[in-house]
Amino acid sequence: QQQVKQSPQSLIVQKGGISIINCAYENTAFDYFPWYQQFPGKGPALLIAIRPDVSEKKEGRFTISFNKSAKQFSLHIMDSQPGDSATYFCAASISNTGKLIFGQGTTLQVKP
Amino acid sequence: DTAVSQTPKYLVTQMGNDKSIKCEQNLGHDTMYWYKQDSKKFLKIMFSYNNKELIINETVPNRFSPKSPDKAHLNLHINSLELGDSAVYFCASSPLVGRQGAYEQYFGPGTRLTVT
Repeated sequence: QQQVKQSPQSLIVQKGGISIINCAYENTAFDYFPWYQQFPGKGPALLIAIRPDVSEKKEGRFTISFNKSAKQFSLHIMDSQPGDSATYFCAASISNTGKLIFGQGTTLQVKP
Repeated sequence: DTAVSQTPKYLVTQMGNDKSIKCEQNLGHDTMYWYKQDSKKFLKIMFSYNNKELIINETVPNRFSPKSPDKAHLNLHINSLELGDSAVYFCASSPLVGRQGAYEQYFGPGTRLTVT
């Protein structure tokens, strides 16, 4: 019940296309859902996050869609660029614990 | 102006040795974490400290011992290293857990540990 399942494992998108990564969770006590971006040799960096009281959050080209009833959330990267090529992790947390449960990660390659 | 720093960046050692990884944050955060990222890139929390107090201790072998001399530092000491300990270890920090906005965790650059 503590798992977060992420798909796909890898994704190849043409420049300008839309990248979509999906995550699902079981624990309804989770109340914070961040996405992290990790470049090779670097630590993960917070990209965007959402709380379950909203269904969508947009920051620039990055959008989180959240479906509370389905216990699913997804990251959409619009107008994908080669510089977006990285590994993306979804995560979930019960916010007053500080404990992040990460998905398995998605390696995104954006082809020029 | 590095926010979360770790030393060393690379650590190569033999089985059975004892090693330490140091972490420092200059963000003024009260909570610090250690994560392990395995060869498949899976990230898993190991420990968390709030103001030098241990608050999360996952099912980690007791060969791993975190130590927090002050709230800006969280070191990880590993005894009797095993092949399976080879991984990238990340330190992270956040504002005090429980406070508003205490969700964002800032990660260090990682320490790649290779046990031969």
